[in-house]
Amino acid sequence: GQQLNQSPQSMFIQEGEDVSMNCTSSSIFNTWLWYKQDPGEGPVLLIALYKAGELTSNGRLTAQFGITRKDSFLNISASIPSDVGIYFCAGLLYNFNKFYFGSGTKLNVKP
Amino acid sequence: GAVVSQHPSWVICKSGTSVKIECRSLDFQATTMFWYRQFPKQSLMLMATSNEGSKATYEQGVEKDKFLINHASLTLSTLTVTSAHPEDSSFYICSAKGHLGGATTGELFFGEGSRLTVL
Repeated sequence: GQQLNQSPQSMFIQEGEDVSMNCTSSSIFNTWLWYKQDPGEGPVLLIALYKAGELTSNGRLTAQFGITRKDSFLNISASIPSDVGIYFCAGLLYNFNKFYFGSGTKLNVKP
Repeated sequence: GAVVSQHPSWVICKSGTSVKIECRSLDFQATTMFWYRQFPKQSLMLMATSNEGSKATYEQGVEKDKFLINHASLTLSTLTVTSAHPEDSSFYICSAKGHLGGATTGELFFGEGSRLTVL
């Protein structure tokens, strides 16, 4: 399957700090989605991106669709303890009808 | 956002039995549904893509006779794990891509997941 390289794999930060994670691929994607997953639950959609260069915010979260259409990043500003969880990127491959997922970034926030 | 409901949320069964998991889109029509499997601390692995009214498309390495998928309507897809064995124990998650407000979106919405434990 297609490779989506997500980094970092895990992060340990202090409450109030900003966080950045990204996904890259050698393939071109039409859509990038960012999800958060809590233990034992399904992923919850955070932000959807549809155009190259698009920058979208959802509260303290900001995500961008890379100009080359091969990458995307997610920023979380002023992190809080409830931001703890695993964040996944997902890309809809150009000309295909399915999404591929990154390996996830586990975020830990210390109060 | 759109709501996808999955049932049951957890199930324990004996080895050799079959288990059915339902995935419903509650407020939109899902022309395409996806089934994923997730092992602990790992990402989601696509098992199959089901389109309403047609046969599912399975990913390489996924046994179609073991994981039966039926997408009989625009709001319901089912995954049946046949003759389950302990190695089938996993977290199974469905997702749906369809129409919101009459327009096709590229967004993918997930069910809550079903944790299967085979004894």
